Amino acid sequence: GAGVSQSPRYKVAKRGQDVALRCDPISGHVSLFWYQQALGQGPEFLTYFQNEAQLDKSGLPSDRFFAERPEGSVSTLKIQRTQQEDSAVYLCASSLGRGHNYGYTFGSGTRLTVV
Amino acid sequence: LAKTTQPISMDSYEGQEVNITCSHNNIATNDYITWYQQFPSQGPRFIIQGYKTKVTNEVASLFIPADRKSSTLSLPRVSLSDTAVYYCLVGGNDKIIFGKGTRLHILP
Repeated sequence: GAGVSQSPRYKVAKRGQDVALRCDPISGHVSLFWYQQALGQGPEFLTYFQNEAQLDKSGLPSDRFFAERPEGSVSTLKIQRTQQEDSAVYLCASSLGRGHNYGYTFGSGTRLTVV
Repeated sequence: LAKTTQPISMDSYEGQEVNITCSHNNIATNDYITWYQQFPSQGPRFIIQGYKTKVTNEVASLFIPADRKSSTLSLPRVSLSDTAVYYCLVGGNDKIIFGKGTRLHILP
């Protein structure tokens, strides 16, 4: 597609429930990133993929967070046993490369609310 | 990673030119300067990028002095639709790190 597509757009989960968030990057983009954005804050880096390889997961807040990109295209961010502090917008971005000299294209995000 | 400092918020009026300055005293030789714009309920959108001097595109201009310790995003003749958060980022071959950005509010 023309842009980065994320689904669902909104997700309400009960505390303790597992959720899966999907990202369809721009076709041909090698790099894929996940960010978490709390209300009123800038996006915070979670993890980075180059093709199917997860090269950086230093931003994942706990072992309840897991991301995969098995075929180097679509990616899924999974959160197990959700907690209220997981409530945020989860943004996916794709790029031709990793560095700043490549522009990142972001999706509109998935707003997760844990109740 | 170079840290950036930018105003928390700014107000301006329709039709005015808006300049948002970002300080990045520890910028490294290989670092680029990139600005993103974010509207409510949307992901950030790339606006402009530069390394030195001046860069201009159809949306904005980016002014970078010789020492590169700061940069200024210039938005010509803003409209209400330019109300958004603007992020200044500095870096090279690494992941982009966002700060809190500048909340720009355009008034009629």
